[in-house]
Amino acid sequence: GQQVMQIPQYQHVQEGEDFTTYCNSSTTLSNIQWYKQRPGGHPVFLIQLVKSGEVKKQKRLTFQFGEAKKNSSLHITATQTTDVGTYFCAVNNDYKLSFGAGTTVTVRA
Amino acid sequence: DAEITQSPRHKITETGRQVTLACHQTWNHNNMFWYRQDLGHGLRLIHYSYGVQDTNKGEVSDGYSVSRSNTEDLPLTLESAASSQTSVYFCASRRDRGNTEAFFGQGTRLTVV
Repeated sequence: GQQVMQIPQYQHVQEGEDFTTYCNSSTTLSNIQWYKQRPGGHPVFLIQLVKSGEVKKQKRLTFQFGEAKKNSSLHITATQTTDVGTYFCAVNNDYKLSFGAGTTVTVRA
Repeated sequence: DAEITQSPRHKITETGRQVTLACHQTWNHNNMFWYRQDLGHGLRLIHYSYGVQDTNKGEVSDGYSVSRSNTEDLPLTLESAASSQTSVYFCASRRDRGNTEAFFGQGTRLTVV
């Protein structure tokens, strides 16, 4: 089964507000990747985190890898309609790439 | 530009028929994957390959097979299609086993009636 749990499964956000989605593992991870899938589209790579406590930013998106390398978060500030979609975390599991169930984000204008 | 393409994009087939979904990449990537996507389950790994003649089962491999006769292609075959295999299928590739990003095809929507 999936090695990582993602919460929440759905996130309904008012435009302009912030939200966070989380990815949790019971085991220590070597690295974690985040992907975004727009409605009707295919997953597209956003970023990879490798180091303990690592924080990376992409404009309004902030990605964080936990100190114990067992969890990660994606925080979006000032949500826009372009943020609509499903965000997946993905981990290397015996060199397979395994995905969480995703957080589907909808935005209220 | 290098790319990964899936065909067909849409397919309707009858229960019991054999179906093959094509995946072709031009990056010369060694690693290729097939996933299925269903509501509430995210992306579940069906089969994967690390190189020519190498194939491995993923978490939901029953009823599916793959072959890797060259670097560019990883066709996915449904031996005897079942309604439970109605899904969206994504092929992906990446350069190596470790810390590299995966590139996805556009997906194939398969309906088994």
